[in-house]
Amino acid sequence: AQKVTQAQTEISVVEKEDVTLDCVYETRDTTYYLFWYKQPPSGELVFLIRRNSFDEQNEISGRYSWNFQKSTSSFNFTITASQVVDSAVYFCALSEGANSKLTFGKGITLSVRP
Amino acid sequence: DAGVIQSPRHEVTEMGQEVTLRCKPISGHNSLFWYRQTMMRGLELLIYFNNNVPIDDSGMPEDRFSAKMPNASFSTLKIQPSEPRDSAVYFCASSFPGINSNQPQHFGDGTRLSIL
Repeated sequence: AQKVTQAQTEISVVEKEDVTLDCVYETRDTTYYLFWYKQPPSGELVFLIRRNSFDEQNEISGRYSWNFQKSTSSFNFTITASQVVDSAVYFCALSEGANSKLTFGKGITLSVRP
Repeated sequence: DAGVIQSPRHEVTEMGQEVTLRCKPISGHNSLFWYRQTMMRGLELLIYFNNNVPIDDSGMPEDRFSAKMPNASFSTLKIQPSEPRDSAVYFCASSFPGINSNQPQHFGDGTRLSIL
């Protein structure tokens, strides 16, 4: 069965600090997809990134970067030079094979203080 | 482009009443998902449709819950009769068709449901 663990529940940083959000997943499938979503205080869920199991290249998008390591079943998310607008709950999610069903982690609440 | 549209945004009703939540997916998306978010259980998938056909409804809590997708541009999630423990935020999401490449799901703003 698929499972996503986000061990950190709450993180608080001061603006301009770097912060890494951890995500560990479990799956028996060799083909799977990993996602990160952001849920700001307004409540909507915003898609950030998708990565498939065959692509271990790290990705950078502006201040955001993602580190995918199959050896440790991790898909960690780093925000560089954090800003107050980054304050949100961040969810990691997993889907297996051709099954579109997403399994979410419990989410990490990130607070960025000015 | 319009995103996933959900209505109503907020619903407050008394227990025992029927509740109907509505969703319009993004045009061209052929997969539609209903999720429920609570503090205790987090985000959990209730049911999803491909090409208007229910594929997996194993997350539907009980017979009081039902979902339909009569056409590609509309879906409903109904609770009858409603109970206080159904209070949650209900999200609808949709995604593009993808062959062996699960496309990202795009979420609506959610319906915040309170059952008194």
